[in-house]
Amino acid sequence: DQQVKQNSPSLSVQEGRISILNCDYTNSMFDYFLWYKKYPAEGPTFLISISSIKDKNEDGRFTVFLNKSAKHLSLHIVPSQPGDSAVYFCAAQGRGGGSNYKLTFGKGTLLTVNP
Amino acid sequence: DAGITQSPRHKVTETGTPVTLRCHQTENHRYMYWYRQDPGHGLRLIHYSYGVKDTDKGEVSDGYSVSRSKTEDFLLTLESATSSQTSVYFCAISEKAGDNYGYTFGSGTRLTVV
Repeated sequence: DQQVKQNSPSLSVQEGRISILNCDYTNSMFDYFLWYKKYPAEGPTFLISISSIKDKNEDGRFTVFLNKSAKHLSLHIVPSQPGDSAVYFCAAQGRGGGSNYKLTFGKGTLLTVNP
Repeated sequence: DAGITQSPRHKVTETGTPVTLRCHQTENHRYMYWYRQDPGHGLRLIHYSYGVKDTDKGEVSDGYSVSRSKTEDFLLTLESATSSQTSVYFCAISEKAGDNYGYTFGSGTRLTVV
């Protein structure tokens, strides 16, 4: 049973426009949500995160929105740049204690930003 | 790469042979993880460690074993490799449980079982 879902395998946008990547989760015990970015032949790198007590976190061109009632989060990239082309993974982390701290990842969304 | 290296980077092996992948860190982080990445599946946790000699299974642990005899090294062993274990394997580290900055990943090992 997939607890973190990224239902769009791919997304294509024009340079300068907004990219919106979506993620849904099913486990209400998740306490922290993270986005990772992955280029080919490299490991994933941390991009931005949000605590469950917040509904928005912004870092430069990247903003993550969290809607707890809908169990949905989204990553907005504005403006999108060709260098943003990568696979984006949504991840969720449970509250501390036991093994709940482990990250659970979605399947990823391939973002392509066209010049 | 933030003090985490994986070896080898690429390996081709035959079905039925044992294979060991190594993850080495210089960050002195307590927690280490092995993930595999496959098309259509994203990143799935194989095994993880929360200290020297302390390990536990992840969601796809069948056919894999791990060992951690030192803080800096976390080994993943395929006792008898199968074609279904062809994948890209990533090691990750984190300083503490519930680290809000998530994990730091290695560059990966691409394993092909023929």
